[in-house]
Amino acid sequence: EDQVTQSPEALRLQEGESSSLNCSYTVSGLRGLFWYRQDPGKGPEFLFTLYSAGEEKEKERLKATLTKKESFLHITAPKPEDSATYLCAVQAKETSGSRLTFGEGTQLTVNP
Amino acid sequence: DSGVTQTPKHLITATGQRVTLRCSPRSGDLSVYWYQQSLDQGLQFLIQYYNGEERAKGNILERFSAQQFPDLHSELNLSSLELGDSALYFCASSFRAGGPQYFGPGTRLLVL
Repeated sequence: EDQVTQSPEALRLQEGESSSLNCSYTVSGLRGLFWYRQDPGKGPEFLFTLYSAGEEKEKERLKATLTKKESFLHITAPKPEDSATYLCAVQAKETSGSRLTFGEGTQLTVNP
Repeated sequence: DSGVTQTPKHLITATGQRVTLRCSPRSGDLSVYWYQQSLDQGLQFLIQYYNGEERAKGNILERFSAQQFPDLHSELNLSSLELGDSALYFCASSFRAGGPQYFGPGTRLLVL
């Protein structure tokens, strides 16, 4: 069974204080690892897809990296508007279907 | 705005009742997914349709059913509702397997 564990559960940062969020996963065969941002009461917003170990993707203050067992979301010089829950999900190489298995998320708060 | 639309935004109903949630995917996307998000279980995959055919099934209750119509919109039917069915229900769509899934704004269901 596919499993995704995210840590920490919650993270408080000061504006400008860089940090990393962790996503550990077990999957029979990884098709892709996805990062989403979710604001309270809203739908998850797609950020990145990573497909193979060593791959990196960047978008503004966010950078996602992937190894064979985990992924990191690095946040550089965060701003209050980066406050949200960040979700990690994996998609397995199933014979049919493209379901995502999500972690519980990391709730990020950035204080001004 | 992801391009995925869901109606209604909010739904309040009583135990034992039946409701229908509607989803229109992004233009060009053939796959539609349904997810349930509750406070204690995070985002859980329910079911996937591809071009009108059921493609994958998650832990979807027998009281729940879904379909995708020729115009590619999808409906999720929830019957014999229980208090524990109260949750956010999200629809997502994608163009291809392995590609990112784009989520709608969700339907918040409250069963009293």
